[in-house]
Amino acid sequence: AQSVTQLGSHVSVSEGALVLLRCNYSSSVPPYLFWYVQYPNQGLQLLLKYTSAATLVKGINGFEAEFKKSETSFHLTKPSAHMSDAAEYFCAVTPSGNTGKLIFGQGTTLQVKP
Amino acid sequence: EPEVTQTPSHQVTQMGQEVILRCVPISNHLYFYWYRQILGQKVEFLVSFYNNEISEKSEIFDDQFSVERPDGSNFTLKIRSTKLEDSAMYFCASKRGPDTDTQYFGPGTRLTVL
Repeated sequence: AQSVTQLGSHVSVSEGALVLLRCNYSSSVPPYLFWYVQYPNQGLQLLLKYTSAATLVKGINGFEAEFKKSETSFHLTKPSAHMSDAAEYFCAVTPSGNTGKLIFGQGTTLQVKP
Repeated sequence: EPEVTQTPSHQVTQMGQEVILRCVPISNHLYFYWYRQILGQKVEFLVSFYNNEISEKSEIFDDQFSVERPDGSNFTLKIRSTKLEDSAMYFCASKRGPDTDTQYFGPGTRLTVL
Protein backbone atom coordinates (compact mmCIF):
# COMPACT_ATOMS: atom_id res chain seq x y z
CA ALA A 1 0.00 0.00 0.00
CA GLN A 2 1.09 3.53 -0.67
CA SER A 3 2.37 5.54 2.25
CA VAL A 4 4.01 8.85 2.99
CA THR A 5 6.52 9.62 5.71
CA GLN A 6 7.33 13.12 6.84
CA LEU A 7 10.51 13.31 8.88
CA GLY A 8 10.18 15.72 11.77
CA SER A 9 6.83 16.60 13.26
CA HIS A 10 8.14 20.03 14.22
CA VAL A 11 10.64 22.21 12.38
CA SER A 12 11.78 25.55 13.70
CA VAL A 13 13.68 28.10 11.60
CA SER A 14 14.60 31.74 11.95
CA GLU A 15 13.02 34.31 9.70
CA GLY A 16 15.07 34.53 6.51
CA ALA A 17 16.53 31.05 6.89
CA LEU A 18 16.12 28.13 4.52
CA VAL A 19 13.04 25.98 5.01
CA LEU A 20 13.40 22.25 4.34
CA LEU A 21 10.51 19.90 5.04
CA ARG A 22 11.13 16.26 4.24
CA CYS A 23 8.78 13.80 2.60
CA ASN A 24 9.41 10.27 1.45
CA TYR A 25 6.90 8.04 -0.25
CA SER A 26 6.60 4.35 -0.86
CA SER A 27 5.29 3.33 -4.21
CA SER A 28 6.06 0.72 -6.81
CA VAL A 29 5.28 3.21 -9.57
CA PRO A 30 5.76 6.97 -9.54
CA PRO A 31 2.67 8.44 -7.94
CA TYR A 32 1.31 11.93 -8.02
CA LEU A 33 2.64 13.96 -5.11
CA PHE A 34 1.30 17.02 -3.37
CA TRP A 35 2.17 19.46 -0.64
CA TYR A 36 -0.68 21.10 1.24
CA VAL A 37 -0.52 23.81 3.89
CA GLN A 38 -2.96 24.26 6.75
CA TYR A 39 -3.08 27.58 8.57
CA PRO A 40 -4.72 27.64 12.00
CA ASN A 41 -8.46 27.07 11.87
CA GLN A 42 -8.46 26.77 8.10
CA GLY A 43 -8.74 24.02 5.53
CA LEU A 44 -5.93 22.59 3.46
CA GLN A 45 -4.54 24.68 0.62
CA LEU A 46 -2.50 23.25 -2.22
CA LEU A 47 1.08 24.54 -2.34
CA LEU A 48 2.30 22.51 -5.31
CA LYS A 49 1.97 19.17 -7.05
CA TYR A 50 4.08 16.75 -9.05
CA THR A 51 2.32 14.96 -11.89
CA SER A 52 5.24 13.37 -13.81
CA ALA A 53 6.21 16.43 -15.78
CA ALA A 54 9.15 18.50 -14.53
CA THR A 55 10.87 17.05 -11.48
CA LEU A 56 11.38 20.49 -9.94
CA VAL A 57 8.00 21.92 -9.13
CA LYS A 58 7.37 25.51 -8.17
CA GLY A 59 4.41 26.43 -6.04
CA ILE A 60 2.82 29.37 -4.36
CA ASN A 61 4.44 31.63 -1.77
CA GLY A 62 7.97 30.88 -3.01
CA PHE A 63 7.91 27.16 -2.18
CA GLU A 64 9.28 24.48 -4.45
CA ALA A 65 9.83 20.74 -4.29
CA GLU A 66 11.96 18.30 -6.18
CA PHE A 67 10.86 14.81 -7.11
CA LYS A 68 13.74 12.35 -6.76
CA LYS A 69 12.75 8.89 -7.86
CA SER A 70 16.03 7.31 -6.77
CA GLU A 71 15.48 8.57 -3.24
CA THR A 72 11.66 8.26 -3.30
CA SER A 73 11.59 11.78 -1.93
CA PHE A 74 9.65 14.97 -2.52
CA HIS A 75 11.13 17.49 -0.09
CA LEU A 76 9.68 20.97 0.20
CA THR A 77 11.98 23.98 0.30
CA LYS A 78 11.86 27.73 0.49
CA PRO A 79 15.04 29.82 0.38
CA SER A 80 13.95 32.40 2.94
CA ALA A 81 11.33 31.83 5.62
CA HIS A 82 8.76 34.45 6.43
CA MET A 83 6.75 34.73 9.62
CA SER A 84 3.60 34.08 7.62
CA ASP A 85 4.92 30.64 6.64
CA ALA A 86 4.21 29.33 10.13
CA ALA A 87 1.65 26.57 9.59
CA GLU A 88 1.26 22.83 9.30
CA TYR A 89 2.47 21.23 6.10
CA PHE A 90 1.25 17.93 4.71
CA CYS A 91 2.80 15.82 2.03
CA ALA A 92 0.32 13.59 0.19
CA VAL A 93 0.34 10.98 -2.53
CA THR A 94 -2.30 9.66 -4.83
CA PRO A 95 -1.74 6.50 -6.84
CA SER A 96 -2.26 7.07 -10.54
CA GLY A 97 -5.42 5.77 -12.11
CA ASN A 98 -7.46 5.36 -8.98
CA THR A 99 -10.25 7.39 -7.45
CA GLY A 100 -7.88 10.20 -6.63
CA LYS A 101 -7.92 9.76 -2.87
CA LEU A 102 -5.07 11.45 -1.09
CA ILE A 103 -2.89 9.57 1.37
CA PHE A 104 -1.35 12.04 3.77
CA GLY A 105 1.79 12.08 5.81
CA GLN A 106 1.72 12.89 9.49
CA GLY A 107 2.31 16.57 8.93
CA THR A 108 5.10 18.93 9.92
CA THR A 109 4.50 22.02 11.99
CA LEU A 110 6.74 24.85 10.84
CA GLN A 111 7.65 27.46 13.43
CA VAL A 112 9.32 30.67 12.24
CA LYS A 113 11.19 32.65 14.86
CA PRO A 114 11.82 36.37 14.49
CA GLU B 1 -12.68 32.45 -6.65
CA PRO B 2 -14.92 29.41 -6.19
CA GLU B 3 -14.46 27.54 -2.93
CA VAL B 4 -15.73 24.53 -1.07
CA THR B 5 -17.95 25.44 1.86
CA GLN B 6 -18.93 23.35 4.87
CA THR B 7 -21.58 23.71 7.54
CA PRO B 8 -21.65 23.82 10.45
CA SER B 9 -18.17 24.90 11.44
CA HIS B 10 -18.58 23.19 14.81
CA GLN B 11 -21.04 20.48 15.82
CA VAL B 12 -21.45 19.18 19.34
CA THR B 13 -23.53 16.06 19.84
CA GLN B 14 -24.24 13.37 22.37
CA MET B 15 -22.94 9.85 21.88
CA GLY B 16 -25.45 7.76 19.95
CA GLN B 17 -26.99 10.69 18.13
CA GLU B 18 -27.07 11.08 14.36
CA VAL B 19 -25.23 13.94 12.73
CA ILE B 20 -25.18 15.24 9.19
CA LEU B 21 -22.24 17.25 7.98
CA ARG B 22 -22.89 19.35 4.93
CA CYS B 23 -20.64 20.43 2.09
CA VAL B 24 -21.14 22.47 -1.03
CA PRO B 25 -18.42 21.51 -3.53
CA ILE B 26 -17.25 23.75 -6.33
CA SER B 27 -20.01 23.83 -8.91
CA ASN B 28 -18.35 22.21 -11.95
CA HIS B 29 -16.52 19.55 -9.98
CA LEU B 30 -17.35 15.89 -10.43
CA TYR B 31 -15.32 14.09 -7.76
CA PHE B 32 -16.11 14.46 -4.09
CA TYR B 33 -14.33 13.32 -0.95
CA TRP B 34 -14.56 13.24 2.81
CA TYR B 35 -11.52 13.13 5.06
CA ARG B 36 -11.14 13.36 8.79
CA GLN B 37 -8.40 14.53 11.11
CA ILE B 38 -8.45 13.41 14.71
CA LEU B 39 -6.74 15.98 16.91
CA GLY B 40 -2.98 15.59 16.70
CA GLN B 41 -3.13 12.95 13.97
CA LYS B 42 -2.84 12.96 10.22
CA VAL B 43 -5.59 13.57 7.73
CA GLU B 44 -7.28 10.28 6.80
CA PHE B 45 -9.31 9.43 3.72
CA LEU B 46 -12.87 8.31 4.38
CA VAL B 47 -14.70 8.05 1.08
CA SER B 48 -14.74 9.17 -2.53
CA PHE B 49 -17.87 9.75 -4.58
CA TYR B 50 -18.31 10.03 -8.33
CA ASN B 51 -21.22 9.71 -10.70
CA ASN B 52 -23.66 9.44 -7.80
CA GLU B 53 -22.03 6.49 -6.16
CA ILE B 54 -19.21 5.64 -3.81
CA SER B 55 -16.07 4.88 -5.78
CA GLU B 56 -13.86 3.98 -2.85
CA LYS B 57 -14.10 3.87 0.92
CA SER B 58 -11.64 3.27 3.70
CA GLU B 59 -11.86 0.80 6.57
CA ILE B 60 -12.98 3.68 8.77
CA PHE B 61 -16.07 4.18 6.64
CA ASP B 62 -18.21 1.45 8.15
CA ASP B 63 -21.97 0.97 8.19
CA GLN B 64 -22.39 3.91 10.55
CA PHE B 65 -21.33 6.26 7.79
CA SER B 66 -23.14 7.22 4.63
CA VAL B 67 -22.79 9.89 1.96
CA GLU B 68 -25.31 11.46 -0.29
CA ARG B 69 -25.58 14.06 -2.98
CA PRO B 70 -29.24 14.92 -2.54
CA ASP B 71 -29.31 17.65 -5.16
CA GLY B 72 -26.96 19.28 -7.62
CA SER B 73 -25.04 21.26 -5.07
CA ASN B 74 -24.82 19.55 -1.67
CA PHE B 75 -22.70 16.61 -0.56
CA THR B 76 -23.42 15.23 2.88
CA LEU B 77 -21.78 12.88 5.35
CA LYS B 78 -24.08 11.18 7.84
CA ILE B 79 -22.98 9.37 10.96
CA ARG B 80 -25.91 7.34 12.24
CA SER B 81 -24.91 6.72 15.83
CA THR B 82 -21.94 8.76 16.90
CA LYS B 83 -19.21 7.40 19.11
CA LEU B 84 -16.68 9.27 21.21
CA GLU B 85 -13.95 8.29 18.76
CA ASP B 86 -15.80 10.04 15.93
CA SER B 87 -14.70 13.35 17.42
CA ALA B 88 -12.52 14.92 14.75
CA MET B 89 -12.29 17.61 12.10
CA TYR B 90 -14.09 16.48 8.96
CA PHE B 91 -12.99 17.92 5.64
CA CYS B 92 -14.88 17.85 2.40
CA ALA B 93 -12.96 18.13 -0.87
CA SER B 94 -13.82 18.22 -4.53
CA LYS B 95 -12.06 18.21 -7.86
CA ARG B 96 -13.03 18.64 -11.46
CA GLY B 97 -11.39 15.68 -13.15
CA PRO B 98 -9.51 12.47 -12.48
CA ASP B 99 -5.93 11.80 -11.43
CA THR B 100 -3.87 14.94 -11.54
CA ASP B 101 -6.54 17.48 -10.89
CA THR B 102 -6.23 19.41 -7.68
CA GLN B 103 -8.50 18.62 -4.77
CA TYR B 104 -9.92 21.71 -3.15
CA PHE B 105 -10.69 21.45 0.54
CA GLY B 106 -13.34 23.09 2.62
CA PRO B 107 -12.55 24.71 5.98
CA GLY B 108 -13.79 21.68 7.89
CA THR B 109 -16.42 20.85 10.48
CA ARG B 110 -15.20 20.15 13.98
CA LEU B 111 -17.35 17.36 15.43
CA THR B 112 -17.31 16.91 19.18
CA VAL B 113 -19.05 13.84 20.58
CA LEU B 114 -19.78 13.97 24.31
